[in-house]
Amino acid sequence: SAVISQKPSRDICQRGTSLTIQCQVDSQVTMMFWYRQQPGQSLTLIATANQGSEATYESGFVIDKFPISRPNLTFSTLTVSNMSPEDSSIYLCSDRTSGTTDTQYFGPGTRLTVL
Amino acid sequence: EDKVVQSPLSLVVHEGDTVTLNCSYEVTNFRSLLWYKQEKKAPTFLFMLTSSGIEKKSGRLSSILDKKELSSILNITATQTGDSAIYLCAASTGANSKLTFGKGITLSVRP
Repeated sequence: SAVISQKPSRDICQRGTSLTIQCQVDSQVTMMFWYRQQPGQSLTLIATANQGSEATYESGFVIDKFPISRPNLTFSTLTVSNMSPEDSSIYLCSDRTSGTTDTQYFGPGTRLTVL
Repeated sequence: EDKVVQSPLSLVVHEGDTVTLNCSYEVTNFRSLLWYKQEKKAPTFLFMLTSSGIEKKSGRLSSILDKKELSSILNITATQTGDSAIYLCAASTGANSKLTFGKGITLSVRP
């Protein structure tokens, strides 16, 4: 499986500000995904990051709040915009390398706290 | 709406015990069932199951899928304190293999 890194590992932010999280994969991957895990909850898919086109967002998530970029097959960013304390979560990116397997591997995650 | 339900939500056992973790799913366009172990932030992959009735094993862990009952179990034998974690199952659906996760099972193994 590809090795995934995320930056930053954690951050504490003030409400109303924005944070951009970076996800880097060490090899080209077909698909990249962004998830959120709120405290005590399971993982919820935010969007699928599509290379060269707009991300595909899940119900309840919008581009204005969570803009995503994927300029190439190894890199993606997620921005959490105009943050509020409800955005305090772990944000995870994952990849799916091949069209023949459904397995997704996860990056180390970004723990975000909004004050 | 796709739904994955895990039970029990938490479990406390002693070292050496055997545990069975349950996962059921109600989804459209089912492709496979995945199990992950989450200790800190990042879930680590355990198993992917696509065929009913075929057990997958890795050391003391094993898992099996029942597509008729829309369920899966994860067994851990001879548990160790290092098995303490949250165990997540997820159903993969659709052309993009979207994962829908259950709430997870918190397993605590006491010495």
